[in-house]
Amino acid sequence: QQPVQSPQAVILREGEDAVINCSSSKALYSVHWYRQKHGEAPVFLMILLKGGEQKGHEKISASFNEKKQQSSLYLTASQLSYSGTYFCGTERNFGNEKLTFGTGTRLTIIP
Amino acid sequence: DGGITQSPKYLFRKEGQNVTLSCEQNLNHDAMYWYRQDPGQGLRLIYYSQIVNDFQKGDIAEGYSVSREKKESFPLTVTSAQKNPTAFYLCASRPPKGGLSNEKLFFGSGTQLSVL
Repeated sequence: QQPVQSPQAVILREGEDAVINCSSSKALYSVHWYRQKHGEAPVFLMILLKGGEQKGHEKISASFNEKKQQSSLYLTASQLSYSGTYFCGTERNFGNEKLTFGTGTRLTIIP
Repeated sequence: DGGITQSPKYLFRKEGQNVTLSCEQNLNHDAMYWYRQDPGQGLRLIYYSQIVNDFQKGDIAEGYSVSREKKESFPLTVTSAQKNPTAFYLCASRPPKGGLSNEKLFFGSGTQLSVL
């Protein structure tokens, strides 16, 4: 099943913060985060494994709450380059390569 | 340079016609994937393959077929049974699990398929 992302879209002014959520109804092994610009391939941001770890990548970080099967992506002090559609992808177990993506969150940063 | 190559970039299909999208990788990855993306929509999994000569249906496999005769290649055929094939198709590959930093998907640049 597809993970559920929220919000579907958000508009921010440059320098503001945002949180994007990804939820699954099933137990997860890992959560991936990617960003896609229009007409291009998705670009990898980070992977989180079950265990509740938080990872960071410049001003973009993420957490994974194993009990809630929910991951959140945090964008701090957003820049114009952060604009795009953010997708989370989920895997249910280590032994299977099936990776299912959510419907995406469109982020627009305005000056 | 290693990478994943999709061709063609644009493809047009006539009604009742089968068309094949190419996906080739020289990264020595075992796992390969096909995703479909409709305008403003997420990525939906069509098929995936964990190893040569083996593949599994994803969430929207009806009207599509694949083969995995070689590790490097994972072509997708859009058959005439797929009544609404217009979409952006993305192929991806992934190295074996075990190294966290290596578990990401490597995407091709995509093929835009349209119906004439």
